[in-house]
Amino acid sequence: DAGVTQSPTHLIKTRGQQVTLRCSPKSGHDTVSWYQQALGQGPQFIFQYYEEEERQRGNFPDRFSGHQFPNYSSELNVNALLLGDSALYLCASSSTGSPPVVQYFGPGTRLTVT
Amino acid sequence: QQQVKQSPQSLIVQKGGISIINCAYENTAFDYFPWYQQFPGKGPALLIAIRPDVSEKKEGRFTISFNKSAKQFSLHIMDSQPGDSATYFCAASRGGGADGLTFGKGTHLIIQP
Repeated sequence: DAGVTQSPTHLIKTRGQQVTLRCSPKSGHDTVSWYQQALGQGPQFIFQYYEEEERQRGNFPDRFSGHQFPNYSSELNVNALLLGDSALYLCASSSTGSPPVVQYFGPGTRLTVT
Repeated sequence: QQQVKQSPQSLIVQKGGISIINCAYENTAFDYFPWYQQFPGKGPALLIAIRPDVSEKKEGRFTISFNKSAKQFSLHIMDSQPGDSATYFCAASRGGGADGLTFGKGTHLIIQP
């Protein structure tokens, strides 16, 4: 079992550009959540996708958008990048079912905005 | 508004000692409280989790104590080892963990040999 995988590992973008990050969930999982982790901080919930729909959203602007594909993989898109968007972006996958529901995290994508 | 407050920010413990990290939450709708361990360059990994219907859960050297009335929970690491040196995050969620997790700011733990 490959676990949660994310690509790319690192990314450098310029302010104002757009970026797409990708996530493949753990085998058997149907739900993907995205988190932003600034340096020295805890992860912050961006949004969650289930059945190709955004199920829940945290306190992030509309510049952050996502998509889930029929194979449950997911993309995170960030438009009009700001310097403050520099962070580690984490994807977590889980399986719907009886609680407790465990979220398994990938290694993250390190985004640097210059 | 920070919904999960974690302390201390950093902690140094001697090998073999007990490491204790505390968290407090505000939202009484939370019903799932996991602890994650994160090593540099890695994603968080689930260590242990508890639901509010029990006051304590133990898995090996790791124990969660939960006080529902005080809205507090803590992680105890017994017989701390150098390999336990990492950043630890408490978190909380509704829906038994199905909803997005709200994390504390983390505790950087160093176990001195």
